[in-house]
Amino acid sequence: DVQLTQSPSFLSASIGDRVTITCRASQDIRRYLAWYQQIPGKAPKLLIYTASTLQSGVPSRFSGSGSGTEFTLTISSLQPEDFATYYCQQLHTYPYTFGQGTKLEIK
Amino acid sequence: DVQLVESGGGLVQPGGSLRLACEGSGFSLSNFGFHWVRQAPGKGLQYISAISNDGAYTYYADSVKGRFTISRDNSKNTVYLQMASLTIDDTAVYYCARGSAGSVVTSFDYWGQGRLVTVSS
Repeated sequence: DVQLTQSPSFLSASIGDRVTITCRASQDIRRYLAWYQQIPGKAPKLLIYTASTLQSGVPSRFSGSGSGTEFTLTISSLQPEDFATYYCQQLHTYPYTFGQGTKLEIK
Repeated sequence: DVQLVESGGGLVQPGGSLRLACEGSGFSLSNFGFHWVRQAPGKGLQYISAISNDGAYTYYADSVKGRFTISRDNSKNTVYLQMASLTIDDTAVYYCARGSAGSVVTSFDYWGQGRLVTVSS
């Protein structure tokens, strides 16, 4: 199975901060990577697919980059509604594994 | 609007069986592959199963292979997950998710609300 390792696992930041989350894959997954946001008690919400394509309706402060084995999710200016847990997912090879998650908390 | 509404789940004893259903609306179910993902309490997301748009292809993670069965009835706009030989480790919220359109799935663009399955004696 493709292993995805996110860093950091926990992130404390303030409103207006720029934050970056990294996702590293155990093998080349080209650009078959998606990012999701999950608020407690809710289903995950798609933010970005194919590493850098913004899902319709997602604010432009979210952006993604990378290919191969290293990917990043950046939030340019944190808003109150962005404090949540973020997951990366590879869709290159079954099983379509997820990273362990990054919990973004208010400082 | 696209919606996925899950039903089923609940409390079951170890060794028991349960079925989850995921009904889609606002789109043609037969055009999309579907997936099941689960999340144990306080844990991350775990991918468990997939079914192609026509039901011809299925996939199971090792953790559920031989115990869970994914199926679909496009005439009822519904995807199912039949779970058997349940253990305590299967306790989780189960989500159905729609694979993105096209010949290559690049994301799960819509998700059900999730159903809690609790395996306990």
